[in-house]
Amino acid sequence: EAQVTQNPRYLITVTGKKLTVTCSQNMNHEYMSWYRQDPGLGLRQIYYSMNVEVTDKGDVPEGYKVSRKEKRNFPLILESPSPNQTSLYFCASGGAEALFEQYFGPGTRLTVT
Amino acid sequence: ILNVEQSPQSLHVQEGDSTNFTCSFPSSNFYALHWYRWETAKSPEALFVMTLNGDEKKKGRISATLNTKEGYSYLYIKGSQPEDSATYLCAFRHDYKLSFGAGTTVTVRA
Repeated sequence: EAQVTQNPRYLITVTGKKLTVTCSQNMNHEYMSWYRQDPGLGLRQIYYSMNVEVTDKGDVPEGYKVSRKEKRNFPLILESPSPNQTSLYFCASGGAEALFEQYFGPGTRLTVT
Repeated sequence: ILNVEQSPQSLHVQEGDSTNFTCSFPSSNFYALHWYRWETAKSPEALFVMTLNGDEKKKGRISATLNTKEGYSYLYIKGSQPEDSATYLCAFRHDYKLSFGAGTTVTVRA
C-alpha cells in the first residue's frame, strides 16, 4: 500500500529536550516536505527536500532541522523545542510525474510544556 | 511568505445545492496551483494540480478552474452531499515551495 508514515503520532515533551519525528514514504517520491498546522493559520511549510542531500527552507524553518540521507526518509529534528512549537505536524511526499501533488502522512500531535 | 487567500472562510450549503469558493494567489512566478480536501481527524487528500492558465479539472461533482494572469482559482461543488463536508485547501507552488491558504470549511446540511 502506498503510504507516508510518521512516528510518533503523539508526543508530549518538555522545553529544551531534543526530539526527532520520523517520516518515511514507499512511493519512491523525489519530493518530501514538513508542514505544521495551527488553528486559523492553515498549513505552513517548514522544510522541503527535492532529493537526497537536497533540502531547503519553507516559510517557517526557525527552530527546526531536517536531513535527507535516503530517498524514503525525511526526519524532522527539534534541537531545543519550545512551547510555540506545540502544533500538529504533517509530513508529505510527491512525485514529479504528478506535479508534486502531496501525499500526506497521518500527522504528529506535539505538545511542548 | 507569499500571500494565498481563500474566501469565504466557511460556508453552509443545503444538500443538493451547488456552491463555489475562491483561492487568490500571486500572479507572478507561478508554477502550479494545488487543491486539497481535508476531513476532520484525517489528513489532507489531493484533488487537483493545475498548471496552465484556463485549466479546468473535474473529479466527480467537484471541479476547478484556474486563471494565472489574474491570480485566482475557483472550486465548484455541484449538488452538494453531506460527505462533501470538509475544509478545502489551495496551495500555490512557486519553484518547489508550497504556500497554503487557510482553507474554506464547507458544511453541507441534510
